[in-house]
Amino acid sequence: AQKITQTQPGMFVQEKEAVTLDCTYDTSDPSYGLFWYKQPSSGEMIFLIYQGSYDQQNATEGRYSLNFQKARKSANLVISASQLGDSAMYFCAMRPPFGNEKLTFGTGTRLTIIP
Amino acid sequence: NAGVTQTPKFQVLKTGQSMTLQCAQDMNHEYMSWYRQDPGMGLRLIHYSVGAGITDQGEVPNGYNVSRSTTEDFPLRLLSAAPSQTSVYFCASSSPGLAANTDTQYFGPGTRLTVL
Repeated sequence: AQKITQTQPGMFVQEKEAVTLDCTYDTSDPSYGLFWYKQPSSGEMIFLIYQGSYDQQNATEGRYSLNFQKARKSANLVISASQLGDSAMYFCAMRPPFGNEKLTFGTGTRLTIIP
Repeated sequence: NAGVTQTPKFQVLKTGQSMTLQCAQDMNHEYMSWYRQDPGMGLRLIHYSVGAGITDQGEVPNGYNVSRSTTEDFPLRLLSAAPSQTSVYFCASSSPGLAANTDTQYFGPGTRLTVL
């Protein structure tokens, strides 16, 4: 079974600072994928970034990067130069081998950016 | 391209009533899934499908039925609604693949269901 743990229920960060959202995972599968989603107050789920277990380099997408430490089973999301619009819930999720129809989600971190 | 659409956006039911949450996608995705989101919890998988005619149970399937007769549609049926089914329901679709952005699930806007 797969498990995702997000230990930060809430975070407050000053605008323009960088922020790291923690995510640890547990799986016995050698092949898996890790995702981060953003859920603003409007409720939709927005895909941010993806990391495959065999990817050699950390994934990056604009201001988002994923700090993937396989041995530690962690996949932290780093947001550089935070903006007020980054205030939202952030979910880490994992997929099993060969199929992304079954995602396992963490409980999320509510990020609030302070002007 | 509408992506993943869900209807209705909001619904209030009485205990014991039945209803169907609709989900449709126009991206020709093989995979479709239903999740529920409860306060303080992440999304939990209810049922999923890897293609027309093929469905399987997720983590919390009790009280829900699904079928998939076409690639585009994946309705979720509540047989006899209970207050414990009050939640936000998300439908998602995806395509099997190994490339980064094609590997994600695309989510619908959600249906907020209240069971009294």
